Amino acid sequence: DTEVTQTPKHLVMGMTNKKSLKCEQHMGHRAMYWYKQKAKKPPELMFVYSYEKLSINESVPSRFSPECPNSSLLNLHLHALQPEDSALYLCASTTRPLGTSGYNEQFFGPGTRLTVL
Amino acid sequence: KQEVTQIPAALSVPEGENLVLNCSFTDSAIYNLQWFRQDPGKGLTSLLLIQSSQREQTSGRLNASLDKSSGRSTLYIAASQPGDSATYLCAVRQEGAQKLVFGQGTRLTINP
Repeated sequence: DTEVTQTPKHLVMGMTNKKSLKCEQHMGHRAMYWYKQKAKKPPELMFVYSYEKLSINESVPSRFSPECPNSSLLNLHLHALQPEDSALYLCASTTRPLGTSGYNEQFFGPGTRLTVL
Repeated sequence: KQEVTQIPAALSVPEGENLVLNCSFTDSAIYNLQWFRQDPGKGLTSLLLIQSSQREQTSGRLNASLDKSSGRSTLYIAASQPGDSATYLCAVRQEGAQKLVFGQGTRLTINP
C-alpha cells in the first residue's frame, strides 16, 4: 500500500476561522512533509517532520501550525488565514528523512483544495 | 543553489507518438532525481526515481535516463495515449539535502 490520504478534499474558510488539515499514511514512513501549491507552479515546501519531530520550517507564517501526533499522522492547523493562502495543500512522506542514504521515493497525497474568503 | 529547468513548458502531440520530456539541473552533485505526473487539481504521482549511480529506469511505457555530468534527465514516453495528458514534474535531491528541488513542469497534451 503506497497511499497517503488527506482530508478534507476541499475546504472553504473565512479569515477568522480555525480549521485543520489531516494527512495519514500507513506505510511505516518516518518522514512527512507539507507543501503548498499555487496554480501552474511546482509545490513549495512548508514543513518537514523527521521521526515525529519538526526538522524544517521554511519560514512559514505562524498562522500555519503543523503537528505530528504520531508516526502515521500529520496535521496542519490553520488560523486567521489570508485570501492569498488559497492553494492546494499537499502532504507527502518518505521511508526515511531525505537527508539519509538509500532508495527513498517521495509519495504524495491527493491534496486539500483550500479557499480563504 | 540548485536550479531545475524543464523545457518546453507545454507540449501537444498526436496520439501514438513517442516523445521525450527534458529536465536539466545546474549542480551535478545530486543524490537522485524523481519524475512525477500531476493531473489537474490532484496530487503528484511518482513515476520513476533514479539514483545518481544509475543511468536509467524503466516502468512500462516510461523510460527515464540520467546524465549527471551534463546535468540532464529525460523522460521517454512510448506510444503516447490521451490518458498520458498531465503535467510532468522532475525533482532533484542534492547529496545530504532534506528536500527536493522541483522544475516548473511540462504540461503534456495527447490529442486523439
